[in-house]
Parts: sequence; C-alpha cells; structure tokens
Amino acid sequence: RKEVEQDPGPFNVPEGATVAFNCTYSNSASQSFFWYRQDCRKEPKLLMSVYSSGNEDGRFTAQLNRASQYISLLIRDSKLSDSATYLCVVNMGQTSYDKVIFGPGTSLSVIP
Amino acid sequence: NAGVTQTPKFRILKIGQSMTLQCTQDMNHNYMYWYRQDPGMGLKLIYYSVGAGITDKGEVPNGYNVSRSTTEDFPLRLELAAPSQTSVYFCASSYPGAVARVTQYFGPGTRLTVL
Repeated sequence: RKEVEQDPGPFNVPEGATVAFNCTYSNSASQSFFWYRQDCRKEPKLLMSVYSSGNEDGRFTAQLNRASQYISLLIRDSKLSDSATYLCVVNMGQTSYDKVIFGPGTSLSVIP
Repeated sequence: NAGVTQTPKFRILKIGQSMTLQCTQDMNHNYMYWYRQDPGMGLKLIYYSVGAGITDKGEVPNGYNVSRSTTEDFPLRLELAAPSQTSVYFCASSYPGAVARVTQYFGPGTRLTVL
C-alpha cells in the first residue's frame, strides 16, 4: 500500500459546483497534514493545514479522520481559478527528520 | 524577498553529461530540500539539509549529489546524466519546527531532459 494515496481524477466540474477530494495515508502515527495546490507547470504552494477539529478557509474546508486515516478537502462554489492539481501532504514525523510524503495529486478542472 | 530561486529554468543534457542545478533562498530557512516530479507522480525527495554543512539522503538519491556550504545555497549535482533523470526538479525550503517544517516554500522548478 502506498504511503499517501489520492484519486488522480481528473475531476471536471461546472462553475459553482461543490467538489470533494479524499486522501488516505498508511501510517497511523502521522502527525500533521496539509493540502498544497499546484498549477500547471508551476511549483506547489501551501493551500491549508488540516487540523483534527477540521478547519475552513473561505470556500475551502479540510477535515481529518484519524480513525480511518484519511483527510478531505471540500471546495464550495468552484471558480475557474480553482483549476489545478491538489496535493495531499502527510508528515509522518519519524526521527529527527519529519518524513514528509506528497501524494500524487488530484486534478481539478472547473468548466464555464 | 525573492523567496526560493532556481536556475536554470530549462536544460537539455546528453547522456553522460554533468550539470549543477542551483537553488538559493533569502528567507534564512534552515531546512532545504530537493525533489523531482515525474509526470502524473508525486514529488520524490532526493536530498535534504537541516543546516549549513549537514545533508542527508531522501527517497531517491542515486545519481545525485548535494552540498550546503551556506544557509542560502543548496546546489544539486548530476554527475552522469541518464534518461531516467528526465524530470522537473524543485528546490524547497522551510523553517524548522513541528508544523512549520512542512510549510515548504518551493522554487519555480528546473525542467531537465536527458537525451
């Protein structure tokens, strides 16, 4: 089983739609979780952290389910500018170097 | 602040050639990283450094070398280029700290093709 798995998509949704991505991780001792966004042919950028209690940033909501070992990202009222690849990132926190694993990403296209 | 800068942006190498990918950050970050990203794949860690003079291997270090003589610079060396090293290379940096270590700031990447 891969350490971090994501549905690669692509997800093609109309403007204004709500879309959700899931990410599963294999190491139950993982300590912190993040969503990064990567635009086509660009570098990844931090979108948001994922906290145990869940957190929201505008149209974006992140949730963590430790028991089932998955995190999710919900995007409401999708905009054309949300088209990108969303990377799930898990910090497995082993030894002195926190082992950071990037998932392969989920591609989102928002269609007019 | 320029953040993390990488040069060159693009490069084509012949098999067996060598080159150095440059990475510089001006945020005084202790931690620096080199990743490669193949099409449709996640980022794979090549090498990382927790401070000047300290480097360690990541997941896919074979065929690469690094050095960290200053806080700002973290060059990646390819000694004998192979077609399998065709990829996009990203350099990143971060502060140390439990959560901040994962808030990595990435450079724009170097697109390398080995023919």
